[in-house]
Amino acid sequence: DSGVTQTPKHLITATGQRVTLRCSPRSGDLSVYWYQQSLDQGLQFLIHYYNGEERAKGNILERFSAQQFPDLHSELNLSSLELGDSALYFCASSSLNLGSAGYTFGSGTRLTVV
Amino acid sequence: AQTVTQSQPEMSVQEAETVTLSCTYDTSESDYYLFWYKQPPSRQMILVIRQEAYKQQNATENRFSVNFQKAAKSFSLKISDSQLGDAAMYFCAYRSARDDKIIFGKGTRLHILP
Repeated sequence: DSGVTQTPKHLITATGQRVTLRCSPRSGDLSVYWYQQSLDQGLQFLIHYYNGEERAKGNILERFSAQQFPDLHSELNLSSLELGDSALYFCASSSLNLGSAGYTFGSGTRLTVV
Repeated sequence: AQTVTQSQPEMSVQEAETVTLSCTYDTSESDYYLFWYKQPPSRQMILVIRQEAYKQQNATENRFSVNFQKAAKSFSLKISDSQLGDAAMYFCAYRSARDDKIIFGKGTRLHILP
């Protein structure tokens, strides 16, 4: 157990629908990162939140949004879903002074859009 | 923009042998960090080894070591005495010291032959 909790582990939904992915960071970590891993692709950075505020945004579609709540958990909202949104979505967390440390990753949410 | 390239989509190695995974990156920065992450079939992202760019000495973690060539912007991973449990997707990754975002390569799938 990495300490980063992602729910649900699997999600199957239809095109056009909206889903919410949830992430609880490791205890003490203020930063949360969201990544998308499509088939045969590396991890694509979506967005970074630090202590409730958006810090950086990657190639995140306008149909996607995220937020980090006062208790530091984060949610990634995906709307108007398309078949191409099917992917593994990872959340990762880190402490304030990242230094040379990498992130701690959750086990991911497998989203299948049918 | 920084990029990370892994030119070997797949590799195979005999159990107990040594294998080297290649990675090159592109950056104009002088202070950064490099990582190798492992993603086994469980899909969990596991940090294998990290290297600070300001350190000339190559990092080593048990059977895993890196060959860091800063001038050539090369960061290869050597796995000695390969074990069946090493079978996984391996991702090379980069992070600028000025940024919290980690950029990943597309990965190399490593097969271990018994």
